[in-house]
Amino acid sequence: GQSLEQPSEVTAVEGAIVQINCTYQTSGFYGLSWYQQHDGGAPTFLSYNALDGLEETGRFSSFLSRSDSYGYLLLQELQMKDSASYFCAVRPGGYNKLIFGAGTRLAVHP
Amino acid sequence: SAVISQKPSRDICQRGTSLTIQCQVDSQVTMMFWYRQQPGQSLTLIATANQGSEATYESGFVIDKFPISRPNLTFSTLTVSNMSPEDSSIYLCSVASQTSTYEQYFGPGTRLTVT
Repeated sequence: GQSLEQPSEVTAVEGAIVQINCTYQTSGFYGLSWYQQHDGGAPTFLSYNALDGLEETGRFSSFLSRSDSYGYLLLQELQMKDSASYFCAVRPGGYNKLIFGAGTRLAVHP
Repeated sequence: SAVISQKPSRDICQRGTSLTIQCQVDSQVTMMFWYRQQPGQSLTLIATANQGSEATYESGFVIDKFPISRPNLTFSTLTVSNMSPEDSSIYLCSVASQTSTYEQYFGPGTRLTVT
């Protein structure tokens, strides 16, 4: 089976840096994705890592360590609009689908 | 990216009835998915809608309860049958990008309340 673990809540202040961790257990693994979802909105794709290392997209970066079954999403220069839920998701081996983690609710305060 | 619309956006239904949710995409896509999400919870995959063949259901979901149609590469429907209050949830369709399953685009969702 597959399982993903991420913190349920994270709080930070504007301008700060926050890291949201995700550990996973899957039978086979193709990659780790991250999605953002604002309250009442649809999930939107942020990033994807198939190989070890850091991928940077503007203020957001995502990291993967396949040997540790671990990844994180790094949000820099936090803004109020970054307050949302963030989901990690894995594509298990042999399947064309995503399995989502429980989500991390990020609250950014002034 | 793809633009996805869903109808209805929300509905309140009585138990024992059925509701069909439509998902329309602005371009042809190979892979379409249906998810369920309780407010504040994770996304649970119901099934993969396959064009020209039966949908592939995840564990815990069956065709009799959630029949899915996929008549072409831009459209799919999900029916929630014989509804009970436990079916109250947000139902989302998504499509995978042409190059990767890892990147999915989601519709705005259908908020279903069963009384």
